Amino acid sequence: AQSVAQPEDQVNVAEGNPLTVKCTYSVSGNPYLFWYVQYPNRGLQFLLKYITGDNLVKGSYGFEAEFNKSQTSFHLKKPSALVSDSALYFCAGGYQKVTFGIGTKLQVIP
Amino acid sequence: GAGVSQSPRYKVAKRGQDVALRCDPISGHVSLFWYQQALGQGPEFLTYFQNEAQLDKSGLPSDRFFAERPEGSVSTLKIQRTQQEDSAVYLCASSLASGPQETQYFGPGTRLLVL
Repeated sequence: AQSVAQPEDQVNVAEGNPLTVKCTYSVSGNPYLFWYVQYPNRGLQFLLKYITGDNLVKGSYGFEAEFNKSQTSFHLKKPSALVSDSALYFCAGGYQKVTFGIGTKLQVIP
Repeated sequence: GAGVSQSPRYKVAKRGQDVALRCDPISGHVSLFWYQQALGQGPEFLTYFQNEAQLDKSGLPSDRFFAERPEGSVSTLKIQRTQQEDSAVYLCASSLASGPQETQYFGPGTRLLVL
């Protein structure tokens, strides 16, 4: 069975500090991995994805994620957090079908 | 261009009523997905269409749930005899091509409350 896991329900970070939102995966074969962001009463918005190639993937709004095969991780990162980054973040992935994690609430404190 | 749209945005139903939720995907997108998102959870897969063909309906929770996409564009998710446990946000997504590597673009969702 394939799955993704987001071990943190919530992440708090001060504005201007770097942020990391964690995701690990359990997928047989080469996984396709995604990050989405959800603002209140909105649908999910695509941030970035890993298919193959460079392990460091750059996406929208200054976000990036690093694919680490040995640690089966795909953590989302941003060098300097903004208050407007506060939202719910979902990791998703799979090989034949995409499944979603339960989400991590990011709170950026002014 | 226009994104994925869903209607209605909010629906309140009495237990036992039938409801129909509509999804208008991005024009030209081959694949269409329906998800159910319970409060505090991630989206859970319900069903998948490639054009008008429903290729995977393994996530539909019961035979009260039915989805169609007759012309390969607009899709409708129908829930018969709604129950309180059906209360959730129903998300629709579309992607340009088929395959799990394709980016899915989501609509705003329909929030269903069954009383």
